[in-house]
Amino acid sequence: SQTIHQWPATLVQPVGSPLSLECTVEGTSNPNLYWYRQAAGRGLQLLFYSVGIGQISSEVPQNLSASRPQDRQFILSSKKLLLSDSGFYLCAWTLMGVGANVLTFGAGSRLTVL
Amino acid sequence: AQSVTQPDIHITVSEGASLELRCNYSYGATPYLFWYVQSPGQGLQLLLKYFSGDTLVQGIKGFEAEFKRSQSSFNLRKPSVHWSDAAEYFCAVGAGYSSASKIIFGSGTRLSIRP
Repeated sequence: SQTIHQWPATLVQPVGSPLSLECTVEGTSNPNLYWYRQAAGRGLQLLFYSVGIGQISSEVPQNLSASRPQDRQFILSSKKLLLSDSGFYLCAWTLMGVGANVLTFGAGSRLTVL
Repeated sequence: AQSVTQPDIHITVSEGASLELRCNYSYGATPYLFWYVQSPGQGLQLLLKYFSGDTLVQGIKGFEAEFKRSQSSFNLRKPSVHWSDAAEYFCAVGAGYSSASKIIFGSGTRLSIRP
């Protein structure tokens, strides 16, 4: 069966520090991968999605970036965090194809920037 | 580009009463539509989805939703709510069968249940 792992679960970072959140999927190949951010009152905001290795689509211009160095690995990064980057970050995956597009989410990473 | 609007930020209903959560979408073709639920301290769970065919879809936990193309809506309904239904509900729209599988969520509706 497929599983999705996301880490770290919680982190507190100072303003201006770097960030790296990692997500891996097991039990499938060539998934579509997504990063969402959930901030209070704003629902789930799509940040990045990827349909293959090295293919990243950015939805929101900001100081975050994403990379997909391997088929089932998706990394969210920042060189310098802002206070506004605080939030709950969710990684998710789907398979492409008819009947697909159903997202399976990781447990999330809660980031607090101080 | 697709978008989703959930006009109700917070709804309170009495236990046993009926429920309808509104969702309006914008998309140029036939969309893929979803409802997810997020219970306190838990992850997001798929309630139901619409891809094609019958416009009334049944989901888990007694929920159903109806796709109305003319109104660009996909409202979620339940005939009788239970206290355990208190949660945040998200409507989402996907771009359909495509390599560009962008899935956009609404801002959510928080449901509270009055005893």
